Amino acid sequence: DADVTQTPRNRITKTGKRIMLECSQTKGHDRMYWYRQDPGLGLRLIYYSFDVKDINKGEISDGYSVSRQAQAKFSLSLESAIPNQTALYFCATSDFIRGYNEQFFGPGTRLTVL
Amino acid sequence: GNSVTQMEGPVTLSEEAFLTINCTYTATGYPSLFWYVQYPGEGLQLLLKATKADDKGSNKGFEATYRKETTSFHLEKGSVQVSDSAVYFCALSVPGGGSQGNLIFGKGTKLSVKP
Repeated sequence: DADVTQTPRNRITKTGKRIMLECSQTKGHDRMYWYRQDPGLGLRLIYYSFDVKDINKGEISDGYSVSRQAQAKFSLSLESAIPNQTALYFCATSDFIRGYNEQFFGPGTRLTVL
Repeated sequence: GNSVTQMEGPVTLSEEAFLTINCTYTATGYPSLFWYVQYPGEGLQLLLKATKADDKGSNKGFEATYRKETTSFHLEKGSVQVSDSAVYFCALSVPGGGSQGNLIFGKGTKLSVKP
């Protein structure tokens, strides 16, 4: 079974709708991240969380919100989706105990906003 | 600030050709360096890493050496295969608390290998 899972894998929605993307992990990591990938722009960090009570904005948090329901679950919400939020979204986890930040990624959610 | 610059793609090679994807970085302190690979339709996965100067990371025939004097971490493979077709991301992480430890990614280089 995959260590980092994301649901849904694909979603098509309309402008103005509220959308939630979910991420679960079985790696026991404290740190979780949400990224967005756009062609030619690489990965950009939306939000990150170092534990259940520690949530931080990343590079492009406007229009997004997150919830860390438990150590293993980290959800990303688009309160009112707009077409330029069409992208591939990745969740990742990491374990910083070894002194460097190796991240483990989920398979991604492809979101299309019409 | 901290940043990663990697060569733009796409890169198209014939099978068994030699591959180099250039990556240079700017960082405060002594970063750890990574190469991630994204196969079509999948998430990113760690390909190799190096945590201090002169370290060589290697995996699946790929290698990269952490060169502090040139602030570089170029990815190389002596003989590519069609199955190596993917997008490759260079990334760094600076030691320290808070957001300092977050990964900073380059924009990715798409590699296509033709039979």
